Amino acid sequence: DTAVSQTPKYLVTQMGNDKSIKCEQNLGHDTMYWYKQDSKKFLKIMFSYNNKELIINETVPNRFSPKSPDKAHLNLHINSLELGDSAVYFCASSQTRYEQYFGPGTRLTVT
Amino acid sequence: GQQLNQSPQSMFIQEGEDVSMNCTSSSIFNTWLWYKQDPGEGPVLLIALYKAGELTSNGRLTAQFGITRKDSFLNISASIPSDVGIYFCAGTGSNSKLTFGKGITLSVRP
Repeated sequence: DTAVSQTPKYLVTQMGNDKSIKCEQNLGHDTMYWYKQDSKKFLKIMFSYNNKELIINETVPNRFSPKSPDKAHLNLHINSLELGDSAVYFCASSQTRYEQYFGPGTRLTVT
Repeated sequence: GQQLNQSPQSMFIQEGEDVSMNCTSSSIFNTWLWYKQDPGEGPVLLIALYKAGELTSNGRLTAQFGITRKDSFLNISASIPSDVGIYFCAGTGSNSKLTFGKGITLSVRP
């Protein structure tokens, strides 16, 4: 009965490739998020969707495109991957804006 | 922008000791949350605080929302080895976005 799940857990790919990360939550929450955690463990929000609508879009290259097919899913597609995209990407969900519940993360390595 | 300051970056304690972590901001925050991240996992919410002065406990953890609304602290009592991890404070200010501190890595010596 995983609350927020992400696939894949690990993703190793070459520069220039396009890849997707999937996220699903079974908590019935209305809002979902994508965060990037860099090598220094700093967590930075990238996007937020509320009921399938984009509400937060931080300064993220437009190679990153989130898609929410329904309120339980928020996928992240990344085009033309670069070395600097290597990081751990976390999906999260919340019912209020404050108490966010995180998935286990996807470690992306671009070579 | 809104920033949360956590220091030091790392703390080392002996099993059984209590430890206190502080989180400060130059601006007022309306909500404070404390998360713990285990290696290879996502952050897990420990405690959420919504009111200035609020003191909340969760087992051996106690957190307080500072009266000035510019700080919060987390206490862990009688530490055990599984307390090892990164502790993040987070808060929402005037822009209602959740902002994270840089985290404190806690090590517990058996």
